[in-house]
Parts: sequence; structure tokens; C-alpha cells
Amino acid sequence: SQTIHQWPATLVQPVGSPLSLECTVEGTSNPNLYWYRQAAGRGLQLLFYSVGIGQISSEVPQNLSASRPQDRQFILSSKKLLLSDSGFYLCAWCLAGVGEQYFGPGTRLTVT
Amino acid sequence: RKEVEQDPGPFNVPEGATVAFNCTYSNSASQSFFWYRQDCRKEPKLLMSVYSSGNEDGRFTAQLNRASQYISLLIRDSKLSDSATYLCVVNANAGNMLTFGGGTRLMVKP
Repeated sequence: SQTIHQWPATLVQPVGSPLSLECTVEGTSNPNLYWYRQAAGRGLQLLFYSVGIGQISSEVPQNLSASRPQDRQFILSSKKLLLSDSGFYLCAWCLAGVGEQYFGPGTRLTVT
Repeated sequence: RKEVEQDPGPFNVPEGATVAFNCTYSNSASQSFFWYRQDCRKEPKLLMSVYSSGNEDGRFTAQLNRASQYISLLIRDSKLSDSATYLCVVNANAGNMLTFGGGTRLMVKP
């Protein structure tokens, strides 16, 4: 069966510091991968998605970036965090051509 | 207009009650529809897909009305454990891009 991992689970970072969040998927090959952010009390906002290694599409221009160095690894980064980057970051996967997505446990980021 | 709209609630219902949520979507070309459940401070989890013919899973029934562009979720015999936020989700294209509604919060009381 497929599983998706995210780490860290929680993170407190000062403004201006760098960020690296990692997501890995097990039990499947060539998944579509997604990064979402959910601000407190708000809906999910798609940040990036990837249909393959090295292929990244950005949905929202901002100070975040994403990379997919391996088939089942998706990384979200920032060089300098802003207060507005605080939120619940969720990684998700799905099989190409199949609609439903499955989410990892998320990383709760607080920028102070 | 939002692409996927839901009443944020909260819906406060007693145990055993039947509760229904509706969701409207704006893109008539939408192809796939889902309901997700999200518990407080947790990730969303797929509750059920919504098929054109309607589908049922235990106490949960989902309906799709393409002509009116709305989706419904009916929960019968509500349990305390049903308390959560229910997200209406639409896939508007073949690229597996999902659009999430803001969610409807349900609180089931003893």
C-alpha cells in the first residue's frame, strides 16, 4: 500500500530564515505530487505541483520554491521566510489520470 | 465568484440526526467530484468520490447534480465522531488539479 511522509511535523522559524520541507511517497511510481498551504481557518491553496522528476509548476508567485530531485521526493523551500508564510503545509500525491489525492500528515510552520 | 462554494457553518446537530451539506461549483466542465473530511489540525482525508448516479457508503450518501452544478453530502444517524470539517472538492481538468471549497464545519452534540 502507498504511504506518504512529511517532516518535520512542526517548525518554528524566525523571519528571514531559510526553509526546507520534505515529502516522500512509498509504494507507487511516478505519482503526481502537490504542495498546498492552509492558513489558519482558511481553505487549501495549491502552491506547486509536479508530474515528474524536475518538472515543477507554480500556481502562486511568492518567495517559495519546490523541487523534485527523485521520483517520490518533493521538497518545498524558501531562502527567506516571511511572517505570512506561517501555515499548515500539506503534501499530496495521486496517480496520473486518477482524480483523488492523498495527503501527508502536514507540517505546521510558525514564522516568528 | 469562488470556484467551489460551501456554507462554512458550523452545523450543530444532536447525535442521531440527519444532516445535509451542499456545495456549488462554477466550472461546468468539471469532471470529478469528491468529499474530504478534515479533523482539527489534521490532513484532509478522502471520504468518498461522487458519481453521477449518486453513491452511498454506510451512513453517507453523495449526490451530484450537473445541471445545477451542485454536490450534496447526506449523513444519517450522526455520531459524535462525525464532528469535523467537510471539504467539497472538484477536479476541473484532466491534469489532476483539485479545487477545494472552504469547508463546512459539523459539530455533533451528545
